[in-house]
Amino acid sequence: DGGITQSPKYLFRKEGQNVTLSCEQNLNHDAMYWYRQDPGQGLRLIYYSQIVNDFQKGDIAEGYSVSREKKESFPLTVTSAQKNPTAFYLCASSIGPWETQYFGPGTRLLVL
Amino acid sequence: KNEVEQSPQNLTAQEGEFITINCSYSVGISALHWLQQHPGGGIVSLFMLSSGKKKHGRLIATINIQEKHSSLHITASHPRDSAVYICALAGNQFYFGTGTSLTVIP
Repeated sequence: DGGITQSPKYLFRKEGQNVTLSCEQNLNHDAMYWYRQDPGQGLRLIYYSQIVNDFQKGDIAEGYSVSREKKESFPLTVTSAQKNPTAFYLCASSIGPWETQYFGPGTRLLVL
Repeated sequence: KNEVEQSPQNLTAQEGEFITINCSYSVGISALHWLQQHPGGGIVSLFMLSSGKKKHGRLIATINIQEKHSSLHITASHPRDSAVYICALAGNQFYFGTGTSLTVIP
């Protein structure tokens, strides 16, 4: 079964903690993306990667970091520098840059 | 700045009604995508359009490049169509609309 998975589904973070959200795909896609969704707003791009070992900042990269050591994996770390991290985080992948994207089920992050 | 605007924001329809959701944009694009987000949060890509019209089952998507406008139509709407429909522009990055929340009442 090909697809894109995210874990965990829900994540709680204490203030000052870094947390890492997982995103894995077995679609053999080159491009992967991280988005943040807040109520009443459209999806906003955090980071994207068009190829292994390369990634670029999106519109709201401050307070986040990523790595792309393997084609299948694109983990997102929410650092303590992100002042308002409570949100719904979606990972996506596509065959090539900005083509039809396949989305994971998302991770809801809540800061306690 | 709002590169993409959707209307209406919220829409309630009776089962069986014909539904139209609109998307207007202000930037140059290579393609326009329609996405569906279900209450649990998962997003599915419905269409990718660069010109003309596409149909899949009861869903029809059209785009007018000159007028920078796209519409998503749902014929014979059903309660399972209840979801948020998002318009996304593909250019040098993706620009997302804020979505149209559709509720279809039995």
